[in-house]
Amino acid sequence: EVYLVESGGGLVQPGGSLRLSCAASGFTFSSFWMSWVRQAPGKGLEWVANIKQDGSEKYYVDSVKGRFTISRDNAKNLLYLEMNSLRAEDSALYYCARGKEVDSWGRGTLVTVSS
Amino acid sequence: DVVVTQSPLSLPVNLGQPASISCRSSQSLVHSNGNTYLNWFQQRPGQSPRRLIYRVSNRDSGVPDRFSGSGSGTDFTLKISRVEAEDVGVYYCMQATHWPPWTFGQGTKVEIK
Repeated sequence: EVYLVESGGGLVQPGGSLRLSCAASGFTFSSFWMSWVRQAPGKGLEWVANIKQDGSEKYYVDSVKGRFTISRDNAKNLLYLEMNSLRAEDSALYYCARGKEVDSWGRGTLVTVSS
Repeated sequence: DVVVTQSPLSLPVNLGQPASISCRSSQSLVHSNGNTYLNWFQQRPGQSPRRLIYRVSNRDSGVPDRFSGSGSGTDFTLKISRVEAEDVGVYYCMQATHWPPWTFGQGTKVEIK
């Protein structure tokens, strides 16, 4: 069974930074694109970023370009999202998801940006 | 960017009755490889999203057969043949044909009347 467990969320001030992690198990991590999707409180789903199997391609939603960096460690089965210059509008539950077609999701980690 | 528009946004349904959700895209979702990357997700209250349908009409493992997906080009539908209490939640369509970005619909909230 596919397991995706996110961590690293928390309360951060505007302009601050956080690094999210996603630990993957139950499948061959290095064979799949991986994605981050977020959901602001009471709102819908928004794709944030994804990364190719070998890390050679990375894509971002326009609102986070230049501030967020997606990366992965295939030896450790870990996906990361480095978030800098955080804004209030980045507050959301951040989900790790498998594949370009997003077939499995974690439970999410909550990021709150507030002073 | 491809805009994906769902309707209705709220869908009250009686138990045992059918339900239908529409998803329309701003351009055809047929990929150059012939596939159409339109997926449907269910998000029950307090839970993570779960994929129900991939590539328009393929049910994911464990998804009850009362859920079905159909459509082509820019016009797609998710149908629940007989709504059960466990079907309450928000349903999203998502296109993965023209990327980036991958785009979701606004969500349709299904509730029991």
